[in-house]
Formats: sequence, C-alpha cells, structure tokens
Amino acid sequence: DIQMTQSPSSLSASVRDRVTITCRASQTINTYLNWYQQKPGKAPKLLIYTASTLQSGVPSRFSGSGSGTDFTLTISSLQPEDFATYYCQQSYSTPWTFGQGTKVEIK
Amino acid sequence: EVQLVESGGGLVKPGESLRLSCAASGFIFSHYTMHWVRQAPGKGLEWVSSISSSSSFISYADSVKGRFTISRDNAEDSLFLQMHSLRAGDTAIYYCANSNDWTHANFASWGQGTLVTVSS
Repeated sequence: DIQMTQSPSSLSASVRDRVTITCRASQTINTYLNWYQQKPGKAPKLLIYTASTLQSGVPSRFSGSGSGTDFTLTISSLQPEDFATYYCQQSYSTPWTFGQGTKVEIK
Repeated sequence: EVQLVESGGGLVKPGESLRLSCAASGFIFSHYTMHWVRQAPGKGLEWVSSISSSSSFISYADSVKGRFTISRDNAEDSLFLQMHSLRAGDTAIYYCANSNDWTHANFASWGQGTLVTVSS
C-alpha cells in the first residue's frame, strides 16, 4: 500500500497569511494526488485533483503542485472560511489512501 | 445539483450485520464509479470499497474484505454496502462518493454520511 504523510499535522495562521501544506507519498504516484477540505461535522470536499487542477467552484487562492512523491497545497491568502482540516489522497493505485490530515487553526 | 444521501446507519452489536444505502441524484449515476469512505470518530479518512459504473470491477480495503459487499442498482440510482461480522473498529461515519474514473479515482462529490456504531 502507498503511505501518504502530511506535514504539519496542525498549524496556526492568521487571516491573509500564506499557508503551505505538504504531502509525501511512499512511492512515486506521478501526479495522481488529490486534496480535500473538511470542516467540522461536514463531509470532505474535493479541492484539487491530479495535483494541480482546481475543482470547479473552488476559489483561486487554492493551488496545488508537485509530482512523483512530493506535493504541496498552498492557500495564498487565508480566509476565515478556510479554517478546516485538509487531506491529501493518492489515486495512483488501490487501495486509495489518505494522509492523516492537517488542521488549520486560527492564530 | 449532485446529491448523495446515505441511510441505514445505527447501533449494532459486534458480530451483527447492517446494510447501508446511498441514493443518488443530479448526475447520470450509471456513468460513475461509486465509493464508500469511512471516518472513525475524531480520526482521518479511510477508503472502504469501490464499484465501477457497470459493476464489472469491485475493490475492497483489506480491513473489510470478506465481510463487506458493495453493490449498486443503476435503475434505482442507488449504491449499497452490506456489512457482516461488524467489529468495534468498524465504528465510523460512512460516506458515499462518486468519481468519473475507475482507474485513478478522486472523490468528487460526497454525501453527508451515516453513522455506524458497533458496541455491546
């Protein structure tokens, strides 16, 4: 199975900060990497797929990059509605696996 | 608007069975691969099972293989998860999700989830 490791596990940031979350795969996954946002009590929401393609309706302050084993999710200017937990997920091969999550909290 | 509505969760004892359903609307259900993903209380996301658009391909996580069965009814736009021999470790919110790709699945739309609690 492909292990996905996110860092950090949590971070504190202020509105308008630039935030970067990293995700590392235990083996190469090309660009088959997806990012999700989950708010408390809600279902996850797909933000970015195939490493850098923004899902329809997702604000442009979100961006993704990377290939192979190392990936990043960047929020260029954090907004109040962005405080949530973010997960990466590899779609290279089954079993589909997720990172452990990164909780973005208000500083 | 895509809607996925799960039902069938509840409190069961270890060893018992439960059948989850997911009613889909707002997209051509028969064209999409469907999935179950679960989340234990306070924990991360775990993929459970996937079924291709025509049910030709099915896959399970090792943790549920042999105990859970995924199925779908394209005539009724519905997805199912039959769960047997439930364990405490199966306690989680179960989400259904769709994707337009079997081979490299991202989970594009999600339901609100249904809670399964396994406890004596």
